[in-house]
Amino acid sequence: EAGVAQSPRYKIIEKRQSVAFWCNPISGHATLYWYQQILGQGPKLLIQFQNNGVVDDSQLPKDRFSAERLKGVDSTLKIQPAKLEDSAVYLCASSPPKNTGELFFGEGSRLTVL
Amino acid sequence: AQSVSQHNHHVILSEAASLELGCNYSYGGTVNLFWYVQYPGQHLQLLLKYFSGDPLVKGIKGFEAEFIKSKFSFNLRKPSVQWSDTAEYFCAAAFSGGYNKLIFGAGTRLAVHP
Repeated sequence: EAGVAQSPRYKIIEKRQSVAFWCNPISGHATLYWYQQILGQGPKLLIQFQNNGVVDDSQLPKDRFSAERLKGVDSTLKIQPAKLEDSAVYLCASSPPKNTGELFFGEGSRLTVL
Repeated sequence: AQSVSQHNHHVILSEAASLELGCNYSYGGTVNLFWYVQYPGQHLQLLLKYFSGDPLVKGIKGFEAEFIKSKFSFNLRKPSVQWSDTAEYFCAAAFSGGYNKLIFGAGTRLAVHP
């Protein structure tokens, strides 16, 4: 079974530039999550989708971050404009329809903002 | 507020030593509890989970965890660690009423010396 796919693995940008990350969840997984993991901290949920609808985006900085999952499968997370404090690993995860909180993670996209 | 705390940020052990990593959560309702592990260069993966029933749960690679409801704790244990257990360990909780949103602790970085 293929895992959660993410790209790019690494991205370096200057502050005020924009960046986009892509995620393809495990086939059949209805729920998709984007987490932000800052160095030395645990992952923090940014946004949770159920199919193509947003379930929770309470911790998403909506002035600069946006995410979509238009067809209920893959998803894109965008940051525009980026700030220095956005340097982190952006993790995508998915979970099967009987969602009990067990997540399957991708390898993450590491963002460095200079 | 719902939160998860891990007491030790860095732990250094010699091979064959016993391991116990502390985890506490702050919430009085129904909770599902997890330990995830991230080996160097790899993605987060599930080590073990507790939903209900026997409070002593066994996971992969000889790990176990005990849910103590009165102490709001879910400590991870292993009787004898190996060099290959070197990794970062994250405790996480999915609280009822939160769409099974997974909240992570800050993580414990374990280094096992041969």
